[in-house]
Amino acid sequence: DPKIIQKPKYLVAVTGSEKILICEQYLGHNAMYWYRQSAKKPLEFMFSYSYQKLMDNQTASSRFQPQSSKKNHLDLQITALKPDDSATYFCASSQGGTSAETLYFGSGTRLTVL
Amino acid sequence: AQSVTQPDARVTVSEGASLQLRCKYSYFGTPYLFWYVQYPRQGLQLLLKYYPGDPVVQGVNGFEAEFSKSNSSFHLRKASVHWSDWAVYFCAVSIPSLGKLQFGTGTQVVVTP
Repeated sequence: DPKIIQKPKYLVAVTGSEKILICEQYLGHNAMYWYRQSAKKPLEFMFSYSYQKLMDNQTASSRFQPQSSKKNHLDLQITALKPDDSATYFCASSQGGTSAETLYFGSGTRLTVL
Repeated sequence: AQSVTQPDARVTVSEGASLQLRCKYSYFGTPYLFWYVQYPRQGLQLLLKYYPGDPVVQGVNGFEAEFSKSNSSFHLRKASVHWSDWAVYFCAVSIPSLGKLQFGTGTQVVVTP
């Protein structure tokens, strides 16, 4: 059974719309992350959360907003979608949030913006 | 600045042949280093990780990697490749001051019969 669940698997959106990508982890981890993978930048760090607090934000645009309603949830809200936002978005988690730990990844949400 | 370089975007290897994937890092200090694998339409999975100590690290599925401080490298090897090794392999360096991993651009491994 997958321990990190990302929903939906595939998502098609129109330019200017808003979408929420869901991530839940059942590993009992305290840290969660979002990464983006596209043809332009193979694996790009976006956010990290530890104990539901934002630790690092490497996303220049405020259109990307992480939302953590529970310790094992880290959703990603994207507003005013652009075609350049088309990518696969991966959620990941680790035990405590240090960079020396193993990251566990979900299978991703593939977003296409038309 | 800390960085990871994987110079080969794609490597083609025959099934049963040996494989080496190159990784060079730039980091002031002794890093923690990782290799992750991404199978088609899946997320990344850890293959192996290096913490300061024995320079040769054993991983899953017959993979191993060797850390070289003098060469700033962490190359991945496998003695005999299987068709199921067809995947993208990412090298990563831990940056404690930033609390995150820095990933390389990945190497696509294609396995031919």
